[in-house]
Amino acid sequence: GDSVTQMEGPVTLSEEACLTINCTYTATGYPSLFWYVQYPGEGLQLLLKATKADDKGSNKGFEATYRKETTSFHLEKGSVQVSDSAVYFCALSEGSGGYQKVTFGTGTKLQVIP
Amino acid sequence: DGGITQSPKYLFRKEGQNVTLSCEQNLNHDAMYWYRQDPGQGLRLIYYSQIVNDFQKGDIAEGYSVSREKKESFPLTVTSAQKNPTAFYLCASSISPTSNYEQYFGPGTRLTVT
Repeated sequence: GDSVTQMEGPVTLSEEACLTINCTYTATGYPSLFWYVQYPGEGLQLLLKATKADDKGSNKGFEATYRKETTSFHLEKGSVQVSDSAVYFCALSEGSGGYQKVTFGTGTKLQVIP
Repeated sequence: DGGITQSPKYLFRKEGQNVTLSCEQNLNHDAMYWYRQDPGQGLRLIYYSQIVNDFQKGDIAEGYSVSREKKESFPLTVTSAQKNPTAFYLCASSISPTSNYEQYFGPGTRLTVT
């Protein structure tokens, strides 16, 4: 079945440091890929997405490129802020029997210190 | 403002009692989902619905029930048969149950059963 593997956290960075959170996936077809962010005590919010190979999703300084050859969708940001502290989930979505089956990674907690 | 509301935010119940979690959306989305989130395990799908009056079991449906009598509402009942009901429950919706569309999440309900 489909699966998503993302790096274990927590990841602790100083403000203005570079961020990379690795995400790799296995899927039977051609999935869409997503990064969601969850702030403490809240639901998930879409951060960015890519629906086909070589697409780059970007939002709020974050970006990720859909790499079919390496089955990866790593999340990057050049300069993190304290307000970026949250849990980040990589997810894939694939059609299965007529419905959208979404598989989530286990989440990576990011803590940015001033 | 369009969005998904879940109520209440915190819910406490005694073991052996059924409890119903509310989920309402005003986004005019066809598809709705219920997930359970436990620490370190990501999100697991409980039930989903692609259209009014139709719903399907997800990966961990045992001990749960749902209804979809209106497009905007998808309540989840946690029954006394659920062996470990204490968790954070997230409701989500998407425009269409196809793989390209992101899911929109509610703020979640934290259920504690003692």
